[in-house]
Amino acid sequence: NAGVIQTPRHKVTGKGQEATLWCEPISGHSAVFWYRQTIVQGLEFLTYFRNQAPIDDSGMPKERFSAQMPNQSHSTLKIQSTQPQDSAVYLCASSWGGRQDTQYFGPGTRLLVL
Amino acid sequence: GDSVTQTEGLVTLTKGLPVMLNCTYQTTYSPFLFWYVQHLNEAPKLLLKSSTDNKRTEHQGFYATLHKSSSSFHLQKSSVQLSDSALYFCALSDISGTYQRFGTGTKLQVVP
Repeated sequence: NAGVIQTPRHKVTGKGQEATLWCEPISGHSAVFWYRQTIVQGLEFLTYFRNQAPIDDSGMPKERFSAQMPNQSHSTLKIQSTQPQDSAVYLCASSWGGRQDTQYFGPGTRLLVL
Repeated sequence: GDSVTQTEGLVTLTKGLPVMLNCTYQTTYSPFLFWYVQHLNEAPKLLLKSSTDNKRTEHQGFYATLHKSSSSFHLQKSSVQLSDSALYFCALSDISGTYQRFGTGTKLQVVP
């Protein structure tokens, strides 16, 4: 089992550019989570899918951030018009059933916005 | 609302000493508590979890007991090692998966 796969591992963008982050959950897992981690804010929940349907996006910034899960094998997090404050490690996690189950985290994508 | 609190931001200990990292929670649901550990430049991974009141859960030398009476799930180890230096997150859900909350994390730094 390869675990949760995230690509790219590192991304550098210029201010105002778009960034798309990819996540491949563990095969058979029905839930996918996205988090943002910074030194200052710690681990912040962004959004949660269950069986590809968006369940909770309460942590997503209302502007510029969007997430999709077009099929059971991958999810994307898109940030439009990136800003320096978007610089962070973006973590994807998956679990068998949902929020009550153990989450398996990917290695993260380190985004740097210059 | 539902919340989880980790009171210590940084704990520095000498190798071989015992440690207790605090985790308390608030919820009106039936709680499910987790401890995740994140080593430097690695992904968080599960260390312990429990939904059973007053039952000690152990893994890799760490242990915790969910006490619903005091709304606590403190993480303990009798003798810390240098390799235990990491960020530890306490997380709260309920047995139905209605919600989840992560604590702010406690950085454990073990020195020789």
